[in-house]
Amino acid sequence: GENVEQHPSTLSVQEGDSAVIKCTYSDSASNYFPWYKQELGKRPQLIIDIRSNVGEKKDQRIAVTLNKTAKHFSLHITETQPEDSAVYFCAASKANFGNEKLTFGTGTRLTIIP
Amino acid sequence: NAGVTQTPKFQVLKTGQSMTLQCAQDMNHNSMYWYRQDPGMGLRLIYYSASEGTTDKGEVPNGYNVSRLNKREFSLRLESAAPSQTSVYFCASSKSGGRGDNEQFFGPGTRLTVL
Repeated sequence: GENVEQHPSTLSVQEGDSAVIKCTYSDSASNYFPWYKQELGKRPQLIIDIRSNVGEKKDQRIAVTLNKTAKHFSLHITETQPEDSAVYFCAASKANFGNEKLTFGTGTRLTIIP
Repeated sequence: NAGVTQTPKFQVLKTGQSMTLQCAQDMNHNSMYWYRQDPGMGLRLIYYSASEGTTDKGEVPNGYNVSRLNKREFSLRLESAAPSQTSVYFCASSKSGGRGDNEQFFGPGTRLTVL
């Protein structure tokens, strides 16, 4: 089955600096890569996703890049703010009908230092 | 819309007791999922239901059973609870159906402690 590795497990950055979280996946058939943000005591929520036919996607201060050849994808957060402090999870799946299970990474705890 | 709802929010069980976690969604989604979240291990899929009437095992199904009661509801049952099942349980749903609507929406979670 799919295996997703995520690094680093913890990350502290100064407010206003950029943060980068990296994930690798094992199954070359995976084609959908979402990122979820989970605030303390809350449910995970989708912040951005990318499909394998696209190399990069951006939404305001967050962006995701995908390298299919190397089987890795990354989350980039620019101009970080205190409200970006949370745990971030990457995931991968083969997004075909009836087979859309997500395999999650183990999470990155991001702390923004004011 | 309430989205995805779960009951109960908290539960304490003794080893060997049984219980059912309830999940419902009002978004007319086809697929539903049960995950458990343990510190340092991310979210692991227990069971999922790609569509009404179907269920399949995920990564960690042992000790659990599920029922897709109808399109809205997907329950998770622990027949004989063990301390290793102490965890936070999340239900999720997605529209799916092969249309590229893959976003999974999560419920608020159930914090289960087995003594």
